[in-house]
Amino acid sequence: ETGVTQTPRHLVMGMTNKKSLKCEQHLGHNAMYWYKQSAKKPLELMFVYNFKEQTENNSVPSRFSPECPNSSHLFLHLHTLQPEDSALYLCASSQRVSGGASEQYFGPGTRLTVT
Amino acid sequence: GQNIDQPTEMTATEGAIVQINCTYQTSGFNGLFWYQQHAGEAPTFLSYNVLDGLEEKGRFSSFLSRSKGYSYLLLKELQMKDSASYLCAVSDSNYQLIWGAGTKLIIKP
Repeated sequence: ETGVTQTPRHLVMGMTNKKSLKCEQHLGHNAMYWYKQSAKKPLELMFVYNFKEQTENNSVPSRFSPECPNSSHLFLHLHTLQPEDSALYLCASSQRVSGGASEQYFGPGTRLTVT
Repeated sequence: GQNIDQPTEMTATEGAIVQINCTYQTSGFNGLFWYQQHAGEAPTFLSYNVLDGLEEKGRFSSFLSRSKGYSYLLLKELQMKDSASYLCAVSDSNYQLIWGAGTKLIIKP
């Protein structure tokens, strides 16, 4: 495997279900991100992990729960979602350096549909 | 607030040149990125500008004017495979990326 991988690629779940999204990066990066992408809207940053420590949580509802067991793996646990949570969920990674911006590498995303 | 503006959709002809503009207002500036995203696929990095001026990379060039809060992506010799969305993103004072909604580029034969 190379780059950033995500599973599953598609997910349909009911509002009472619990599911998890998985992301793995094979690039040796030290930061990982979860984004939500809805049609015709900017990418919304949900969570940032830097060296496995969560550094950002952009007012995301508690029905989304991230987990970062190590610098290569990132999970997004989902429970009691709402139909408006249907979107493409993208994982990304980057090599953060002190005093500089860094390019992010994206996985293919999970297309989530909440029924 | 922070804001990134880019046109929603543009149409161009195969073989022609197209310029996609991006204007921004952010709290701090640590560079501007352009990404390409084909339908159903991940965004992929195209370019990064942190200083004023033009960066050229093959058929694609990106320009930045920090004083005007303005950038453009220039695509030359358009090919059908260039049909995609082009995302502008600014790295703010906390090195977080602030994203535009993307410009959908349609290439016609």
